[in-house]
Amino acid sequence: EVVLTQSPGTLSLSPGERATLSCRASQSFGGKNLAWYQQRPGQAPRLLIHSASSRATGIPDRFSGSGSGTDFTLTISRLEPEDFAVYYCQQYGNSPITFGGGTKVEIK
Amino acid sequence: EVQLVESGGGLVQPGGSLRLSCAASGFTFSSHGMHWVRQAPGKGLVWVSGILSDGRVTGYADSVKGRFTISRDNAKNTLFLQMNSLRAEDTAVYYCASQIAVGYWGQGTLVTVSS
Repeated sequence: EVVLTQSPGTLSLSPGERATLSCRASQSFGGKNLAWYQQRPGQAPRLLIHSASSRATGIPDRFSGSGSGTDFTLTISRLEPEDFAVYYCQQYGNSPITFGGGTKVEIK
Repeated sequence: EVQLVESGGGLVQPGGSLRLSCAASGFTFSSHGMHWVRQAPGKGLVWVSGILSDGRVTGYADSVKGRFTISRDNAKNTLFLQMNSLRAEDTAVYYCASQIAVGYWGQGTLVTVSS
């Protein structure tokens, strides 16, 4: 099973600042089959990025994904108030599909 | 408008069974692989099971293998999860979701396993 480790666990930032979230895999899982999700309290997860760097439909361009192999990054260029939430990475190149433990982006 | 609406959750005793349903609309259900993902209270996301568009290939997390069965009815645009031998640790909100790169998710249904 591919274990995904997200860091940091919590990121304290102010609106307008840049957020950099990391997702590291325990092994390569073939290509760039990695997705990023945002989850706000009481809501279902929302797909932000698939295929490591492709923005999902309707996602603002302040969200970007990068990386390959075992190291992946989600960058939010300038935090908006609605971006304070929990973010998860997910690999879907190997079975079973696995998620990281999440990074909480909170208001400083 | 795309909709995924889960139903069938509730309170069940340990060892009991439940069948979850997910009604899909607004997209071509029969062309999409589908998944179940769960989230225990205050915890992260965990993939439970997936099924290809034609239903012929399925996959399960080790924690549910042999107890849960995923299926689909493409004529009725509905995804199912039959859950047997339920345990306290199966308590979670269960989400249905489309194939990953498409990113459709339902709002979830709560399953509580408790005596």
